[in-house]
Amino acid sequence: DGGITQSPKYLFRKEGQNVTLSCEQNLNHDAMYWYRQDPGQGLRLIYYSQIVNDFQKGDIAEGYSVSREKKESFPLTVTSAQKNPTAFYLCAARSIRGGYTFGSGTRLTVV
Amino acid sequence: QQPVQSPQAVILREGEDAVINCSSSKALYSVHWYRQKHGEAPVFLMILLKGGEQKGHEKISASFNEKKQQSSLYLTASQLSYSGTYFCGTERRADSSYKLIFGSGTRLLVRP
Repeated sequence: DGGITQSPKYLFRKEGQNVTLSCEQNLNHDAMYWYRQDPGQGLRLIYYSQIVNDFQKGDIAEGYSVSREKKESFPLTVTSAQKNPTAFYLCAARSIRGGYTFGSGTRLTVV
Repeated sequence: QQPVQSPQAVILREGEDAVINCSSSKALYSVHWYRQKHGEAPVFLMILLKGGEQKGHEKISASFNEKKQQSSLYLTASQLSYSGTYFCGTERRADSSYKLIFGSGTRLLVRP
């Protein structure tokens, strides 16, 4: 079945450490997105990419970085510059018909 | 800019109806509706592309008033499985790039 795979499901980060969240899709969709969700809040856009080797900043890009070397993959790095990274991170892909499919998410906690 | 959703929370008895509203201050390409269960990823419900478009799936339907930049989600004869948080998303298009911004959500609880 086609879908989006995010890993790991849970991730713990130490102060000053960079961590990378994986997002892989087998839907053959061009556009991919990263969102952050804090408890009881909505989803906020971090970065998005319409095609390979191209991506744009969303509303809260500071402290994050991405790459899009392959159509199937859109990893997100949470850098040490992100001072409050504890959140639920969701990766999504947009179909040509417009609907967004989400992965099951990664819960990141700073320890 | 983030779309504005109302109400923030709704409590229903099974079988009752509810309406969730979403409004935007900017011109939109499309409006999306998603439902998220606690601890899970949002699930796509429907997309509305044209002004005045109305879509439905069983007892969940939505409308989009392009002039007012407003959309409403209608849940009729609610079931226990409808409980969750509903998000509207407003999508803008620039060249070939699409950007979806979500509202803050409406928490819906359906009780027996």
